[in-house]
Amino acid sequence: ETGVTQSPTHLIKTRGQQVTLRCSSQSGHNTVSWYQQALGQGPQFIFQYYREEENGRGNFPPRFSGLQFPNYSSELNVNALELDDSALYLCASSLEEGLYEQYFGPGTRLTVT
Amino acid sequence: GESVGLHLPTLSVQEGDNSIINCAYSNSASDYFIWYKQESGKGPQFIIDIRSNMDKRQGQRVTVLLNKTVKHLSLQIAATQPGDSAVYFCAENNQDDKIIFGKGTRLHILP
Repeated sequence: ETGVTQSPTHLIKTRGQQVTLRCSSQSGHNTVSWYQQALGQGPQFIFQYYREEENGRGNFPPRFSGLQFPNYSSELNVNALELDDSALYLCASSLEEGLYEQYFGPGTRLTVT
Repeated sequence: GESVGLHLPTLSVQEGDNSIINCAYSNSASDYFIWYKQESGKGPQFIIDIRSNMDKRQGQRVTVLLNKTVKHLSLQIAATQPGDSAVYFCAENNQDDKIIFGKGTRLHILP
């Protein structure tokens, strides 16, 4: 186990709704990255938070947003859910920003109907 | 654009044999490469990394080879065991030092 936890484990939402996913980083890690992993695909980088600020973003629309809290835990929010948002959402924490080893949580499986 | 790809979606290997998983990358500016293992129902697990100033790095039962000339990365697993069954991803850093994943190769161990 990596020490990175995510909640909930599974979630079912309806198209148009909003969702919040949560991640607790490994102790001592101040950087959290979020990824979307569609079935049979590799994880796609959504964005990264470093010391409570967004620190880089992938090719995702603004309805994907996030937060990082003073204890370095993080949230991923997705508004106006679409069917294609159905995926495994992974968070990964690392000691610092930059090229450091990332430790992944088990993910949240989101299904949009 | 940025892309990390894999040659084979599925690789079947006899238990006890060595496994070689290949990866091609397109961004010649990438200077950090990682191999991850993802078992069913779990998040990716770091296996080994290599920086562009090296062409080989060894870990426990694993070796990563980097050929920058042809932009090729490989992961060698010695004496493959049933517990090695998983999907393996190579990943690289983009221009902002964020980690970009490829599509993955499923490693299947034959008894």
